[in-house]
Amino acid sequence: DAGVIQSPRHEVTEMGQEVTLRCKPISGHNSLFWYRQTMMRGLELLIYFNNNVPIDDSGMPEDRFSAKMPNASFSTLKIQPSEPRDSAVYFCASILGLRATDTQYFGPGTRLTVL
Amino acid sequence: QKEVEQNSGPLSVPEGAIASLNCTYSDRGSQSFFWYRQYSGKSPELIMSIYSNGDKEDGRFTAQLNKASQYVSLLIRDSQPSDSATYLCAVKGGSEKLVFGKGTKLTVNP
Repeated sequence: DAGVIQSPRHEVTEMGQEVTLRCKPISGHNSLFWYRQTMMRGLELLIYFNNNVPIDDSGMPEDRFSAKMPNASFSTLKIQPSEPRDSAVYFCASILGLRATDTQYFGPGTRLTVL
Repeated sequence: QKEVEQNSGPLSVPEGAIASLNCTYSDRGSQSFFWYRQYSGKSPELIMSIYSNGDKEDGRFTAQLNKASQYVSLLIRDSQPSDSATYLCAVKGGSEKLVFGKGTKLTVNP
């Protein structure tokens, strides 16, 4: 299995620009999670989907952030407009089901730098 | 706000020693507990999970859970330089979300 795939791996952009991060979950997994990791705040859950439906977006920082999952094999996280404080590593993770014992598998992450 | 606290570290141990990593959590309804290892510049990877009180051993790793004290720990025996990484404690409660601690950075010195 290829694991969770994220693209791009690195993104450098200027303040005000739109940024789109992409994720392909492990085939057959029915839940997908977007996280953001910084030194100051650690690993934070932004939003998660179950069967392509957003279940909890309470971690999304503000309206500049949006996420979609149009089908079971693809999700995007968009930031518009981007700000320097959005600089972080963004991880996507997927999980087979929602049982307590299920394990989340992380993608390699996208390192975002907003200048 | 559900919280997971880890000893901030950094933790430094000599090669061959036992490394002890600790975690406390605030939600008494938590059901599942995970330890992830994260090498610098890499993504978290699961190394241990535990669901019931007591100890769970896997090779050099032992996870310990005490739900009454809301405490979970990870012991690494015979520590190796390759164990040097940040260890993240994660807790799952009644919802599907994992709540992560901020991690403890471990360095194993040859």
